[in-house]
Amino acid sequence: GAVVSQHPSRVICKSGTSVKIECRSLDFQATTMFWYRQFPKKSLMLMATSNEGSKATYEQGVEKDKFLINHASLTLSTLTVTSAHPEDSSFYICSATDRRLYEQYFGPGTRLTVT
Amino acid sequence: SQQGEEDPQALSIQEGENATMNCSYKTSINNLQWYRQNSGRGLVHLILIRSNEREKHSGRLRVTLDTSKKSSSLLITASRAADTASYFCATVIGNEKLTFGTGTRLTIIP
Repeated sequence: GAVVSQHPSRVICKSGTSVKIECRSLDFQATTMFWYRQFPKKSLMLMATSNEGSKATYEQGVEKDKFLINHASLTLSTLTVTSAHPEDSSFYICSATDRRLYEQYFGPGTRLTVT
Repeated sequence: SQQGEEDPQALSIQEGENATMNCSYKTSINNLQWYRQNSGRGLVHLILIRSNEREKHSGRLRVTLDTSKKSSSLLITASRAADTASYFCATVIGNEKLTFGTGTRLTIIP
């Protein structure tokens, strides 16, 4: 149990376009979802925390207008990278938690390349 | 900001040997967790140790926690080639937000 999926797994887009990444909890209701960004050979940096039905809480230094997060249901959160630039190229990972589970379950990640 | 610093940054050992990774953190925690990440993949939760626990085992994994020194260690015994991955510690302070350490890249040489 406790499976989290992400789609797409890999995306290449042109500079200036927007990209949407989906994160789904497949077999549990995720009251909270987290979005992380990871640069090559680096650790995960938390970008934002989203709770179903409310606005996301962004970490310091993360532009909320650039990284739009929508937690529309208890099983789906989306991250939209707007007007993407090459420096947005990164590995984006989501995680989900059901408070009863007391731990976060991570998706497989999405590799974004902006050309 | 990162809470945890891991040591060493990279570790290469022969298959069958034990691998030890250390994690230090700065503030009081609720619990500390260890994760594994294969290259280009998501994270897999390995083990959680609460602040009132000192040691925990799971299969070939042994985790210790010393809250007085604000440090934790992960020991993998009888390493296998399949253990090659990056290992991260992550601390939880108050709410569920995880703060990850810098990670250790472990390479097991067959």
